[in-house]
Amino acid sequence: GAGVSQTPSNKVTEKGKYVELRCDPISGHTALYWYRQSLGQGPEFLIYFQGTGAADDSGLPNDRFFAVRPEGSVSTLKIQRTERGDSAVYLCASSLRGRDTEAFFGQGTRLTVV
Amino acid sequence: AQKVTQAQTEISVVEKEDVTLDCVYETRDTTYYLFWYKQPPSGELVFLIRRNSFDEQNEISGRYSWNFQKSTSSFNFTITASQVVDSAVYFCALSEAFLGSARQLTFGSGTQLTVLP
Repeated sequence: GAGVSQTPSNKVTEKGKYVELRCDPISGHTALYWYRQSLGQGPEFLIYFQGTGAADDSGLPNDRFFAVRPEGSVSTLKIQRTERGDSAVYLCASSLRGRDTEAFFGQGTRLTVV
Repeated sequence: AQKVTQAQTEISVVEKEDVTLDCVYETRDTTYYLFWYKQPPSGELVFLIRRNSFDEQNEISGRYSWNFQKSTSSFNFTITASQVVDSAVYFCALSEAFLGSARQLTFGSGTQLTVLP
């Protein structure tokens, strides 16, 4: 597609459940990023992929969060045993190479844990 | 540690007024990038500008202009002759230049701009 696509756009889940959030980057972009944005705040970095590997996962808050990008394109952010504090908008971005290139963001997935 | 401060939480102006959004940053890096993003109600972050720390030349793009002052660690954004469509949340962000454009983006908390007709 022309831009970064994230699905679903909205997700409501019960506390303790497992969720998966999907990101389709711009075709040909090797770098992919996940950010989390809480209400009234700026996005916070979670993880960065260069190709298939996670080059930097220092922003993941704990081991309930995990992300994969098995073929170097689509990425899935996985959250286990969700907590109410995980409620936020999860943003995905991609860039052509990761170095000195702009990141383009998707519209995000709004996750609500009830 | 890097930090970006956008002291203005909300700004309201009347259409056609000029408005300046402030951004102050902190970093120990000697080379870095500064960014501005726009986030309309749809939620998608729209890239506006990237500035390398070595390039202090001010930039103008249509009604948008940016004033980078390394001496005061500021990267302010001015919209001239504002329009209703400019209403959005604007984020200033900072990243280490060596590691890439968005790997370590540190965002400010954003400024909600409302342009009234």
